[in-house]
Amino acid sequence: AQSVTQPDIHITVSEGASLELRCNYSYGATPYLFWYVQSPGQGLQLLLKYFSGDTLVQGIKGFEAEFKRSQSSFNLRKPSVHWSDAAEYFCAVGAPNYGQNFVFGPGTRLSVLP
Amino acid sequence: GAGVSQSPRYKVAKRGQDVALRCDPISGHVSLFWYQQALGQGPEFLTYFQNEAQLDKSGLPSDRFFAERPEGSVSTLKIQRTQQEDSAVYLCASSSSGAYNEQFFGPGTRLTVL
Repeated sequence: AQSVTQPDIHITVSEGASLELRCNYSYGATPYLFWYVQSPGQGLQLLLKYFSGDTLVQGIKGFEAEFKRSQSSFNLRKPSVHWSDAAEYFCAVGAPNYGQNFVFGPGTRLSVLP
Repeated sequence: GAGVSQSPRYKVAKRGQDVALRCDPISGHVSLFWYQQALGQGPEFLTYFQNEAQLDKSGLPSDRFFAERPEGSVSTLKIQRTQQEDSAVYLCASSSSGAYNEQFFGPGTRLTVL
């Protein structure tokens, strides 16, 4: 069965520090991978996606993620966190031959200390 | 419009009542998705429309849940005989075509069933 795990429920970092949010997946096909961010009172917003090609993908707001097939991981990184990055982050996986229904992870809540 | 809108933003229903949740997608977007997000969880896929056709309803949890998009634009998610376990945030998303193009999410409707 398809599944996505985000091992960290809540992470706290200081402003300016680096960030890595973990995502692991179990999927029966070559996955398409996504990271979304959900700020309080806002809808989910796509940060970046990976379909194929270069395994290091760049997204909006200075985020990047690296696909590692051998580890079934797609971790999200940012070199220097800003206070406005405090939000909930969701990893999601899908595959067109499995249809249009993505599987989302449970999310990681990021808090940023001043 | 500027983005995906949903109404109402908040809905309180007594157990056994019927509710209707509305989604206005971005103008011209042919694909529309409904998700259910329980507290502290990631979104879970409910159903998918391509124009007015409901192509996937595999995520609807029971036959009390019904969605429609009769003219290929506005969509309504209806829940009959609401139960406490239906309490969640219901998210709508639209895209230009399919889930693998960027999905734009609405702010959600928070349903509380007493």
